[in-house]
Amino acid sequence: AQSVAQPEDQVKVAEGNPLTVKCTYSVSGNPYLFWYVQYPNRGLQFLLKYITGDNLVKGSYGFEAEFNKSQTSFHLKKPSALVSDSALYFCAVRGSYSGNTPLVFGKGTRLSVIA
Amino acid sequence: GAVVSQHPSRVICKSGTSVKIECRSLDFQATTMFWYRQFPKQSLMLMATSNEGSKATYEQGVEKDKFLINHASLTLSTLTVTSAHPEDSSFYICSAREGLAGVDTQYFGPGTRLTVL
Repeated sequence: AQSVAQPEDQVKVAEGNPLTVKCTYSVSGNPYLFWYVQYPNRGLQFLLKYITGDNLVKGSYGFEAEFNKSQTSFHLKKPSALVSDSALYFCAVRGSYSGNTPLVFGKGTRLSVIA
Repeated sequence: GAVVSQHPSRVICKSGTSVKIECRSLDFQATTMFWYRQFPKQSLMLMATSNEGSKATYEQGVEKDKFLINHASLTLSTLTVTSAHPEDSSFYICSAREGLAGVDTQYFGPGTRLTVL
């Protein structure tokens, strides 16, 4: 079975400060990890993914995430937060590369960036 | 990136009626589509996985006779909520995965908010 944990329901940061949204995962085999962002009453927008290769993955809107196999983590980061980054962020994992295996989502972390 | 559309974006219906939600992949062929539902302030819960031309695979606890899924073509999947009740009110989100080898990203539609009175 595969699972994702996002330990923080909410993260608050001041605009201009660095932000981190935490995610840990559990899969049997190689993990394929994703971050999505959701704005109010909207679907999910893809931010970035880790499949293989460099542990530091760069994605959309200046976000990046670091894959840490020993800690089974895939934390989302941004060096300087913007008020417009305020949204709901989901970490997701899939235990196989393709096929019918669906993404399993964490419960989400609400990011609030304060001006 | 790839675009997935959903229609309608919002629907209000009376209890006992049926509602159909369409999910389309606009610029790619989706061999696999997923339907999720999301309750307020909660995560996405997978309802079913559908492959073009075959029956959908439902997650445990999801009534297949209530939530009818049809994936008739590589660009269209529909979810029909039959005999809707107020507890079916939710945000329904579809997702599509492109069927080419090596493509691994799931793209999501904007969601459909269903309110059953």
